[in-house]
Amino acid sequence: ELKVEQNPLFLSMQEGKNYTIYCNYSTTSDRLYWYRQDPGKSLESLFVLLSNGAVKQEGRLMASLDTKARLSTLHITAAVHDLSATYFCAVVGSRAGNMLTFGGGTRLMVKP
Amino acid sequence: DTEVTQTPKHLVMGMTNKKSLKCEQHMGHRAMYWYKQKAKKPPELMFVYSYEKLSINESVPSRFSPECPNSSLLNLHLHALQPEDSALYLCASSPGLAGGRRYNEQFFGPGTRLTVL
Repeated sequence: ELKVEQNPLFLSMQEGKNYTIYCNYSTTSDRLYWYRQDPGKSLESLFVLLSNGAVKQEGRLMASLDTKARLSTLHITAAVHDLSATYFCAVVGSRAGNMLTFGGGTRLMVKP
Repeated sequence: DTEVTQTPKHLVMGMTNKKSLKCEQHMGHRAMYWYKQKAKKPPELMFVYSYEKLSINESVPSRFSPECPNSSLLNLHLHALQPEDSALYLCASSPGLAGGRRYNEQFFGPGTRLTVL
């Protein structure tokens, strides 16, 4: 059974600081997704990582995938308040049906 | 059209009511999903429809009944729900085989906030 773990689950940081969110998963997969969710809202797709070594960047966020280590990272550079949200990673396992297994989410609060 | 729409946005129902949630997409996607999300938790998969056929039912109680009338529409019929069923219900779709390597990239609708009294 595929398990996906994120850490930290909660992150409070100051504006302007850097930090990394980690997403570990338990079985082989070569595709991983990062989503953002604002309170009471739906999930917004941030990054699609489809191969080992994939790196994607959008603004202050950069995501990478190491399939050998079964690890993805979401790096935040010079955080701003607008990045406050919950971030989920989701991994596609080997089970049929295009199923995503979500990590527990990282709730990020960026303080002025 | 590049979005998934859901109606209603909010729904309050009693335990004896019957109601339905509706989801629609016009992106030509061939897989559609229902998720349930409780506060501060990740989405939990309920049902998957692939090419209009139910392919996965994650042991969901029969008081939830999905329906896929055509490739663009997905309904979730609700009957005799319990207060613990109160949650955000999310619909998602993904391209399917025609989407190439991004065949299972899921696009989420805005959700229906359900309260069961």
